[in-house]
Amino acid sequence: DVKVTQSSRYLVKRTGEKVFLECVQDMDHENMFWYRQDPGLGLRLIYFSYDVKMKEKGDIPEGYSVSREKKERFSLILESASTNQTSMYLCASRKGGRDEQYFGPGTRLTVT
Amino acid sequence: AQSVTQLDSQVPVFEEAPVELRCNYSSSVSVYLFWYVQYPNQGLQLLLKYLSGSTLVKGINGFEAEFNKSQTSFHLRKPSVHISDTAEYFCAVSDIGGQGGKLIFGQGTELSVKP
Repeated sequence: DVKVTQSSRYLVKRTGEKVFLECVQDMDHENMFWYRQDPGLGLRLIYFSYDVKMKEKGDIPEGYSVSREKKERFSLILESASTNQTSMYLCASRKGGRDEQYFGPGTRLTVT
Repeated sequence: AQSVTQLDSQVPVFEEAPVELRCNYSSSVSVYLFWYVQYPNQGLQLLLKYLSGSTLVKGINGFEAEFNKSQTSFHLRKPSVHISDTAEYFCAVSDIGGQGGKLIFGQGTELSVKP
C-alpha cells in the first residue's frame, strides 16, 4: 500500500513564526504536491515537484516555499506565518499522468 | 488552461435514494478524469478514474461515473446511498502528457445522507 505521511495532524503557530510542514511518501513517486483546502474553494495547488530539487509554482504560491532534497520527502515552508494561512494542508504524491494521486491525512494549521 | 466545475456545492438526500453529483470540465486537450472522496478529518481517496475505453466507469462502494466527451462532463452516480456515503466528493482532471501529472480539482460537493 502506498503511504503518504504528514508530520503533524494539528498545528498551532503564532503570527510571524517560520513553519515547516513535512511530507514523506514510500512508493518512489516522482511527483509530489502541496495543496491547501478551504471551505467552498476546494483544493488549491501551492507548489509541486516532479523531481528531486525541482519545483514549480502552483496557483497560490505567495507566502510559501518548498524543499525537495530527497525523492521521498517534500517540505512546505511558511517563511512568516500569517492568520490568512490558517487552513488544512494536504500533501500528495503520484507516479505519472495515468495514475491516481495518493494523499496524506492532512495538517490542520491554525495561525493566531 | 483546464478547469473543473462541480455544479452543486451541497447535495442532501435520503438514505436508499439515488444520487448524481455533477462535474463539467474544460480543456483544449485530451484528459484523464478522476473522482475522489474525503470523509471527515481524512485525506482524499480515489473512487474511480477514466483513462480511455468504455465511457462508463465503475468504482468502489457502488459508485459509477459516465464520461461524456461532447458535453465535457463526468457525472458521478450511485443508485442507492447509505448514511456512510456522507462525505465531500471532488472531481479532478489532468491532461494526458502534462508535466508532473498535475491534477486540477473542482470545488467539491458535500453529500449529506439523511435517515
